[in-house]
Amino acid sequence: GENVEQHPSTLSVQEGDSAVIKCTYSDSASNYFPWYKQELGKRPQLIIDIRSNVGEKKDQRIAVTLNKTAKHFSLHITETQPEDSAVYFCAASFGAGNMLTFGGGTRLMVKP
Amino acid sequence: DADVTQTPRNRITKTGKRIMLECSQTKGHDRMYWYRQDPGLGLRLIYYSFDVKDINKGEISDGYSVSRQAQAKFSLSLESAIPNQTALYFCATSDINKLGQSRETQYFGPGTRLLVL
Repeated sequence: GENVEQHPSTLSVQEGDSAVIKCTYSDSASNYFPWYKQELGKRPQLIIDIRSNVGEKKDQRIAVTLNKTAKHFSLHITETQPEDSAVYFCAASFGAGNMLTFGGGTRLMVKP
Repeated sequence: DADVTQTPRNRITKTGKRIMLECSQTKGHDRMYWYRQDPGLGLRLIYYSFDVKDINKGEISDGYSVSRQAQAKFSLSLESAIPNQTALYFCATSDINKLGQSRETQYFGPGTRLLVL
């Protein structure tokens, strides 16, 4: 099956700085890589995703990059704001049904 | 996302008790999932169902069972609860396109916080 590792487990940045979270995956057949944000006490919600035929995708202050050869992908948040504080999960698809394997999560803290 | 609901939201039970967690969705999605969330371990798949007649084990199915009563309902049971099943449980749904291919975005319910004493 798929194995996804996520680093760092915690990340603290100053408001306005950039934050980068990295994930590696094991199954070269994975073709879909979403990122979910989970605010304290809330459910995970999709914030951005990328498919294997694309190397980079941006949506305002967030971007995701994918390196298929190295089997890693990253989430980039620029101009961080306190409301970006949350736990972020990466995931990779596996199997014919495109199930998801999640990374262990990164707790991002943005200090005002 | 109010379209996916879970009951109860919080539950305290004792070792050896049988409990059921319920998930309902009004999104009309065919695919439903149960995950368990533990600190530092992310979300791990317990069971998934692609339609009412299709139930599959996930990564950590031991000690759990499920029932897909209808397209909109997917229940998770702990046959004999044990303390290491204390966790946050999430239900999720996803859709398929007209070709029967999976749309990968998963929509999560609000979660059930379970404590087994």
